[in-house]
Amino acid sequence: EIVMTQSPATLSVSPGERATLSCRASQSISSKLAWYQQKPGQAPRLLMYGASTRATGIPARFSGSGSGTDFTLTISSLQSEDFAVYYCQQYNNWPSRTFGQGTKVEVK
Amino acid sequence: QVQLVESGGGVVQPGRSLRLSCAASGFTFSSYAMHWVRQAPGKGLEWVAIISYDGSSKYYADSVKGRFTVSKDNPKNTLYLLLNTLRPEDTAVYYCARDREVLPDNFLDYWGQGTLVTVSS
Repeated sequence: EIVMTQSPATLSVSPGERATLSCRASQSISSKLAWYQQKPGQAPRLLMYGASTRATGIPARFSGSGSGTDFTLTISSLQSEDFAVYYCQQYNNWPSRTFGQGTKVEVK
Repeated sequence: QVQLVESGGGVVQPGRSLRLSCAASGFTFSSYAMHWVRQAPGKGLEWVAIISYDGSSKYYADSVKGRFTVSKDNPKNTLYLLLNTLRPEDTAVYYCARDREVLPDNFLDYWGQGTLVTVSS
């Protein structure tokens, strides 16, 4: 089983600042990584797939990078609506999908 | 627009069964594989199961294999998850989600709002 590890667990950032979230896979997953955003009481929302392709309607301040085992989600200038929990998920080990444990982005 | 609406959650005793439903609309349900994902209170997301577009292939997480069964009724545009031999650790919000294939990628592009299952005596 591929284990996904996200860091940090909590990220404290001021509005307007840059946020950098990390996700590491226990073995190579090529670029088969998606990112999801989840706000309290809501379902997850797809942000990114293929490690770096933004989903429909996702603002350009969100960007993804990486391949193999190390991935990054960057939010260039945090808006109030971006404070949430972010999950990475691999889909290289089809059909199984594995999520990371999440990174909470909170207001500093 | 794509809509997924789960139902069937509730409080159930350990060892009992429950069937969850996910009503789909706004897309050609018979053309898509579907997932169940769960989230224990205050915890992260855990992938549970996937069923192929035509229902012929099903795969499960090890934690539920042999106890949960996923099925799909394409004429009724409905996805199901039968939860048997429930345990307290199965307590979670259960989400259904659509599988989107944009080769070479597969990801979960639409999610329902979830239904809460509480396993307690």
